[in-house]
Amino acid sequence: QQQVKQSPQSLIVQKGGISIINCAYENTAFDYFPWYQQFPGKGPALLIAIRPDVSEKKEGRFTISFNKSAKQFSLHIMDSQPGDSATYFCAPSGAGSYQLTFGKGTKLSVIP
Amino acid sequence: NAGVTQTPKFQVLKTGQSMTLQCAQDMNHEYMSWYRQDPGMGLRLIHYSVGAGITDQGEVPNGYNVSRSTTEDFPLRLLSAAPSQTSVYFCASRSGRGNSPLHFGNGTRLTVT
Repeated sequence: QQQVKQSPQSLIVQKGGISIINCAYENTAFDYFPWYQQFPGKGPALLIAIRPDVSEKKEGRFTISFNKSAKQFSLHIMDSQPGDSATYFCAPSGAGSYQLTFGKGTKLSVIP
Repeated sequence: NAGVTQTPKFQVLKTGQSMTLQCAQDMNHEYMSWYRQDPGMGLRLIHYSVGAGITDQGEVPNGYNVSRSTTEDFPLRLLSAAPSQTSVYFCASRSGRGNSPLHFGNGTRLTVT
């Protein structure tokens, strides 16, 4: 089973602050690096993803940073809002990935 | 566009009972999968299918059966429920290869007493 290590397990951030979640992986064949967002009572949904041809991708307040040599990628949430309070999962994969491994999740709480 | 639909939303079973969790998708996705989510454990793959008639085991397959007779449907069967199967179950599908996004249903919360 490929290892995917996500940190931290939980995160409390003040409204307006920056939230940073990290994901480390082992398989150098991975070429798709997504972050999923899950609200209570709902299924996870794709938030943002990056492919290895770029080192950073920004969508609104959400940015993925990718470090190929370190086999890590991170989610940055700028100007964090209470509505961002959710659990976030990473799940890196490659073209031949049928058995995806998810990180154990980060529970983010943004307090007013 | 409904996406991935799971039924029921909630279910309570007694130990030893059987049941089927239903999953249907209307996106013509070849790949479908079942995950269970437990506190502190993240999402763990139970079974997956790469097309009608083709299924395979994931990380935690014991106690569960699947079949895939159509592209749209991928039911998960518990033959003899055990308290250890108390969990939230998610069905997910995707088009194309492994490097494409998963689309999840909203889950079935199962309690086995």
